[in-house]
Amino acid sequence: QQQVKQSPQSLIVQKGGISIINCAYENTAFDYFPWYQQFPGKGPALLIAIRPDVSEKKEGRFTISFNKSAKQFSLHIMDSQPGDSATYFCAARSGTSYGKLTFGQGTILTVHP
Amino acid sequence: EAGVVQSPRYKIIEKKQPVAFWCNPISGHNTLYWYRQNLGQGPELLIRYENEEAVDDSQLPKDRFSAERLKGVDSTLKIQPAELGDSAVYLCASSLGRDPGNYNEQFFGPGTRLTVL
Repeated sequence: QQQVKQSPQSLIVQKGGISIINCAYENTAFDYFPWYQQFPGKGPALLIAIRPDVSEKKEGRFTISFNKSAKQFSLHIMDSQPGDSATYFCAARSGTSYGKLTFGQGTILTVHP
Repeated sequence: EAGVVQSPRYKIIEKKQPVAFWCNPISGHNTLYWYRQNLGQGPELLIRYENEEAVDDSQLPKDRFSAERLKGVDSTLKIQPAELGDSAVYLCASSLGRDPGNYNEQFFGPGTRLTVL
């Protein structure tokens, strides 16, 4: 019940295209949903996050869509750039377990020039 | 402002040997986390500190892993003895947060890549 399932495992997109990564969860106690970006040899860095009382949040080219009833949320990267090539992790924060973050398995995004 | 500092960046040891990782969080951050990231997976929390107190160590394999955070600043994670399955990246993160009701961003260090032969 603590799992966060992420798909796809890898994604290849042409420059200028839209990248879409999906996540699903079961635990209704999750109260915050961040997305992290990780480059090789670096730690994850917060990209964008959303609370479950909001259905969409946009920051620049990055948008989170959140469907509370379906327990699903997704990251959309518009106008994808080669510099966006990285591993992306969705996560969910437990509102009851000391704010523990549970991460998805990750998506390796490759944006071709 | 300096980020989370971890050392060493890489460590190669033989199985059954001990190993230790060090973390210096961002100045002023009271909460410190240790995560383990297996190859091709997301980070998994090992232990979380609020100042000197370990408030969540339920995922820490206590038979071989130990951690400490003296004076509520730097932290050390130790494995003794190491096993082949311990090969992973060990990430340290810190945040301002004390109250789980208010989300505070976790800032991650670059990690220590451990290889156990």
